[in-house]
Amino acid sequence: QKEVEQNSGPLSVPEGAIASLNCTYSDRGSQSFFWYRQYSGKSPELIMFIYSNGDKEDGRFTAQLNKASQYVSLLIRDSQPSDSATYLCAVNMYNYGQNFVFGPGTRLSVLP
Amino acid sequence: DAGVTQSPTHLIKTRGQQVTLRCSPKSGHDTVSWYQQALGQGPQFIFQYYEEEERQRGNFPDRFSGHQFPNYSSELNVNALLLGDSALYLCASSLGTGQFTYAQYFGPGTRLTVT
Repeated sequence: QKEVEQNSGPLSVPEGAIASLNCTYSDRGSQSFFWYRQYSGKSPELIMFIYSNGDKEDGRFTAQLNKASQYVSLLIRDSQPSDSATYLCAVNMYNYGQNFVFGPGTRLSVLP
Repeated sequence: DAGVTQSPTHLIKTRGQQVTLRCSPKSGHDTVSWYQQALGQGPQFIFQYYEEEERQRGNFPDRFSGHQFPNYSSELNVNALLLGDSALYLCASSLGTGQFTYAQYFGPGTRLTVT
């Protein structure tokens, strides 16, 4: 069973703080990893993707990947109330009969 | 640059009926994937179409079928609807397929309610 796991939350952080969202995956051969944000009642919106070990920064967002530990994370700096949403981690497990496998999502609440 | 579009937005069907959902990919994309998202869960992969063929399939019964047209648009068909088929159906488009596939971009989804 190929799985992607996330803490369901809710994760609550004060406005201006750093929010840290974590994701682990079971397929050691996975090569590409994606973070999506989903507001209630809306479809997922791509935030970032990462292919190589290490950090990748885009504005207030930083994705971190550690393939040896099968772990990927998303940091949101200077969190804003508008960041309150569910964050979905997706792993491309193409070689195991599926395309993108999504985690259950972590609900983030940024408190004003 | 047109994004991914889906139709209809909402749909109400009766148990046992059949439904067809439609998707047009983002401009420049050639691959369409379909997902089912139940309330409070992550999207579950149904299948992926590339070059008018089903390339990958998730753990969904044969009641779920699809098609891709030469213009890359796609349809999802569900036969013999069950109450458990009520969900948000998402279409995602991307360029190419494989282990290093580019990111998938989602359409607004179709909310299907089966009564």
